[in-house]
Amino acid sequence: KAGVTQTPRYLIKTRGQQVTLSCSPISGHRSVSWYQQTPGQGLQFLFEYFSETQRNKGNFPGRFSGRQFSNSRSEMNVSTLELGDSALYLCASSRGDHTDTQYFGPGTRLTVL
Amino acid sequence: DAKTTQPPSMDCAEGRAANLPCNHSTISGNEYVYWYRQIHSQGPQYIIHGLKNNETNEMASLIITEDRKSSTLILPHATLRDTAVYYCIVRVETGTASKLTFGTGTRLQVTL
Repeated sequence: KAGVTQTPRYLIKTRGQQVTLSCSPISGHRSVSWYQQTPGQGLQFLFEYFSETQRNKGNFPGRFSGRQFSNSRSEMNVSTLELGDSALYLCASSRGDHTDTQYFGPGTRLTVL
Repeated sequence: DAKTTQPPSMDCAEGRAANLPCNHSTISGNEYVYWYRQIHSQGPQYIIHGLKNNETNEMASLIITEDRKSSTLILPHATLRDTAVYYCIVRVETGTASKLTFGTGTRLQVTL
């Protein structure tokens, strides 16, 4: 069974630009969660999508948004990039029951110049 | 949120058992203890989880104290490939959704 895949793996953007990251969950998984990892703040929860609906949200500004498609694939968008948005962005998928184990992808390394 | 406390770093000789402790004294009755590890700049890898009973799988064993206030992850025969940051997480339930709240973890260094 294929694992969680994320594209692209690496990305370089400049301040003020926007970026879209993609996550394909494990087959059969309906929940996708996004996390941001930085050296200063560690791993922080961004949001979770289930059946195309956001059902949980972390404490991030509105510049961070996401969506989920009918095939459970998810995208995360960051608008008006700031230097502090440089991070490893991770997505995790699960079947969707709130007790399910989440499995992580390899992450997208975003660098904002 | 139930918080976890882990030592920042530990060393272990290759071939020996690595015992990683975690304190979660404010855990609620229906909250699970999860362990993940992260090898440098990769996505976290699920290891094991448990509620109140001890658990074992092909990767590790999880020992949870009877009062559930602490747990220990045991890697029975550590190898150099087990060098990673290990995160102990208490799963936060928020209605039908949940999130993983990561702490700072324990950096395990396995040496020859």
